[in-house]
Amino acid sequence: QSALTQPASVSGSPGQSITISCTGTSDDVGSYRFVSWHQQHPGKAPKLIMFEANQRPSGVSSRFSGSKSGNTASLTISGLQAEDEADYYCCAYAGGSTWMFGAGTKLTVL
Amino acid sequence: QVQLVESGGGVVQPLGSLRLACVASGFTFRTYAMHWVRQAPGKGLEWVAVISFDGSEEYYADSVKGRFTISRDNSGNTLYLQMNSLTTDDTAVYYCAKDEDSLAVDGYFDYWGQGTLVTVSS
Repeated sequence: QSALTQPASVSGSPGQSITISCTGTSDDVGSYRFVSWHQQHPGKAPKLIMFEANQRPSGVSSRFSGSKSGNTASLTISGLQAEDEADYYCCAYAGGSTWMFGAGTKLTVL
Repeated sequence: QVQLVESGGGVVQPLGSLRLACVASGFTFRTYAMHWVRQAPGKGLEWVAVISFDGSEEYYADSVKGRFTISRDNSGNTLYLQMNSLTTDDTAVYYCAKDEDSLAVDGYFDYWGQGTLVTVSS
C-alpha cells in the first residue's frame, strides 16, 4: 500500500487560511469515515487535531476544520498563528485492521 | 489525564532483538485497543501494529509481519512490542498510541506517547 498523498509543504502569513489535502483511494479514504489529522511540532509527539474527517477533539481550536469528499480529505487552518507552524499528517483506516499515513505536510507561517 | 510512557529503546546490532514497553495511566487501559507507530529519522509516520483490548486480536504492517509481536499486560497497564531480526530500516522513534475504541478494527489514535528511539547499527 502506498502512503496517502499530501503536499510536502504549505505556507501562509499570520491571519490567513491554508488548506492541506490528503488523497487516498476508494479502498481507504473513500471507504471509511476514519480519517484523522495529527499535528507534530519538532521533536515532539504527534497530537490528534481532527477525527472522523471533520470532528474536533475537545481542546482543539475552532480555527481547525476538516472535510472529506470522495477519496480526498482536507484540513483547513484559519487565522494562522505562529504556533501552528508544524508538520501535519493525515491518517486513514485502510481496511483489514490496517492504517496508513500521509507523508506529512510542513506548514510554515511566514 | 492520559499518559503513555515508552521505554526500552536503544542501539542494537542488525539481526538483533529488542523489547519495547509502554506504561499507560489516566484511563482504563484494559478497555482500549492499542497501537505502535514508528517514525524513521526525518521521515513520516508509519503504522506498525495494533492489539485489541483483551489481546485476542493482533494485526501488523507488512513491513514487520513475522518479525514483530505486539502484546499487552492489562494487570500492569503495559503494552509491549517484541522486535526480532532487526534491520537498519527499523531505525526509528517508536510511539505507542491509544485507540478510541476497544476493538482492533477501524477507529483512530486519540493519544500518543513521547516515543522511544531504536537505532539498528553495527
